[in-house]
Amino acid sequence: QKEVEQNSGPLSVPEGAIASLNCTYSDRGSQSFFWYRQYSGKSPELIMFIYSNGDKEDGRFTAQLNKASQYVSLLIRDSQPSDSATYLCAVKTQGGSEKLVFGKGTKLTVNP
Amino acid sequence: DAGITQSPRHKVTETGTPVTLRCHQTENHRYMYWYRQDPGHGLRLIHYSYGVKDTDKGEVSDGYSVSRSKTEDFLLTLESATSSQTSVYFCAISDPFETGLEGYGYTFGSGTRLTVV
Repeated sequence: QKEVEQNSGPLSVPEGAIASLNCTYSDRGSQSFFWYRQYSGKSPELIMFIYSNGDKEDGRFTAQLNKASQYVSLLIRDSQPSDSATYLCAVKTQGGSEKLVFGKGTKLTVNP
Repeated sequence: DAGITQSPRHKVTETGTPVTLRCHQTENHRYMYWYRQDPGHGLRLIHYSYGVKDTDKGEVSDGYSVSRSKTEDFLLTLESATSSQTSVYFCAISDPFETGLEGYGYTFGSGTRLTVV
């Protein structure tokens, strides 16, 4: 069973702080890694993906990947109340399958 | 969500009745997926399709069937609804051949909230 684990949270940070969301995965052959944001009552939306070791930055978001440690993270700088949502980590595993395995999500609250 | 619609958005049904949920896309994407989302379980794959008439099971397929007779429509049927199938159902689409990127992602529909009483 290929698993994706996220820190369960909830995570609460003050406005302007850095929020750090973490994810580990069990399949060492996993190829691509995704972060989705889901507001309450809404559908998930893709905010970042990464497939090479290191950092990938997009605006206030930075995804970090360490394949040796089977670890992927999402940093949100200058957190805003509008960032309050559940963040889902997803992994595309090896073998040519197009399926994504999702973690259970971490709920983030940014306090004004 | 642009290009992908789910119907109905909400449904209440009785135990033992069949229920069909519809996912319709206008993106001509090859892959379509049905997930269910439950508190404490996250998103779990029910069935997916990699082309017309080509479908396969996901991790929680028992009690569900799917059909895809044309590219744009992917139907999920609960053969005989049970209370354990009360959930939010999401359809998603993807097509790596469209993006040309290894790191493509899914686009999700708005979801169907199903309650089985």
